[in-house]
Amino acid sequence: DTEVTQTPKHLVMGMTNKKSLKCEQHMGHRAMYWYKQKAKKPPELMFVYSYEKLSINESVPSRFSPECPNSSLLNLHLHALQPEDSALYLCASSQRHISGNTIYFGEGSWLTVV
Amino acid sequence: QKEVEQDPGPLSVPEGAIVSLNCTYSNSAFQYFMWYRQYSRKGPELLMYTYSSGNKEDGRFTAQVDKSSKYISLFIRDSQPSDSATYLCAMRGIQGAQKLVFGQGTRLTINP
Repeated sequence: DTEVTQTPKHLVMGMTNKKSLKCEQHMGHRAMYWYKQKAKKPPELMFVYSYEKLSINESVPSRFSPECPNSSLLNLHLHALQPEDSALYLCASSQRHISGNTIYFGEGSWLTVV
Repeated sequence: QKEVEQDPGPLSVPEGAIVSLNCTYSNSAFQYFMWYRQYSRKGPELLMYTYSSGNKEDGRFTAQVDKSSKYISLFIRDSQPSDSATYLCAMRGIQGAQKLVFGQGTRLTINP
């Protein structure tokens, strides 16, 4: 079982709603990631946090707002999303944000925007 | 041309067969190579991790890296229906904290 826990597993939201996805890991990892995955496509990197600081934003629209309250938690705040934002959102973590460290993924949160 | 090429399949084989999954890449800076298994509607699960060239074996799974040909493979022996999933290759360069680059994923079905 993955040690990266994501909630909720499924979320349906309207285009005017505000919701949040949550991620937690207790492996002592100091790098955490958000990825987006569309059907039959590989995961696409959205954000990277290293030591609780945002280090990479892959030009993600501002309707997605990440937050890292502490070293174990990562949130993704969602507001005014579009139907095309419907996808599987994956949280991941690694010991450090360096190439030699393995990235471990959570089970994902399925988001449907209606 | 994509940095990492992987045949999306689908690939369907009978139970007990040896499965070979492959990726080619163009960036000679890649040094870390991974295979992830992703079941339908689940997150990717790390299967194999290899640094530089050579082979690595773990149970029924063997990962091979041929850097001279820029080619990596995952072999599954004695395949089981529970191996039915999408297999994603992924790789990274050695400098700093480079982005993980994924292949498209190969959808594999093992028929009982």
